[in-house]
Amino acid sequence: SQQGEEDPQALSIQEGENATMNCSYKTSINNLQWYRQNSGRGLVHLILIRSNEREKHSGRLRVTLDTSKKSSSLLITASRAADTASYFCATEQGFQKLVFGTGTRLLVSP
Amino acid sequence: GAVVSQHPSRVICKSGTSVKIECRSLDFQATTMFWYRQFPKQSLMLMATSNEGSKATYEQGVEKDKFLINHASLTLSTLTVTSAHPEDSSFYICSAKQERYGYTFGSGTRLTVV
Repeated sequence: SQQGEEDPQALSIQEGENATMNCSYKTSINNLQWYRQNSGRGLVHLILIRSNEREKHSGRLRVTLDTSKKSSSLLITASRAADTASYFCATEQGFQKLVFGTGTRLLVSP
Repeated sequence: GAVVSQHPSRVICKSGTSVKIECRSLDFQATTMFWYRQFPKQSLMLMATSNEGSKATYEQGVEKDKFLINHASLTLSTLTVTSAHPEDSSFYICSAKQERYGYTFGSGTRLTVV
């Protein structure tokens, strides 16, 4: 399977704390993207990092990419209850399709 | 911004019947559309990639005769689950790709086969 792995599978934190999720993948990529999915809903695009980039920021989000280790991390700072969702990394591979990781379920308690 | 409309959002059908799900890009022409399947608390699994006017490319293990994909125009792709069975119950999500907007996802269709 080309699917990437994410860890942890589940993460429970308090509001105000930081949340870090990790993603590992198997093949060469054009870019890596992170998405959020609220329960039973569609996907919301969060951030895209290209294969020649190492770090990217967007608001409270910070993404890193290490192509030598085929891994990425998503950091959400100062988390809020509204951040409760599942987070998926997705890699765009050679034939321009998105392959999703296994996902991390984040629970932020007030 | 780019919007993808997916219908229906929920459908319940009897075992043995067929169900059609539509995916439309509302304000852009999609070069490619994708169909994903998601089981509860699991990730999205890519089922197939379709380009307008050509046959869909199915991922390994996906039955093309079971999941019929038609990409009739640059703004519409349909997925038909034929002779549905309870094990086909799942959340199906489409995505449309356009160079300017990247990937845009529909809101998904929850299929329940009884």
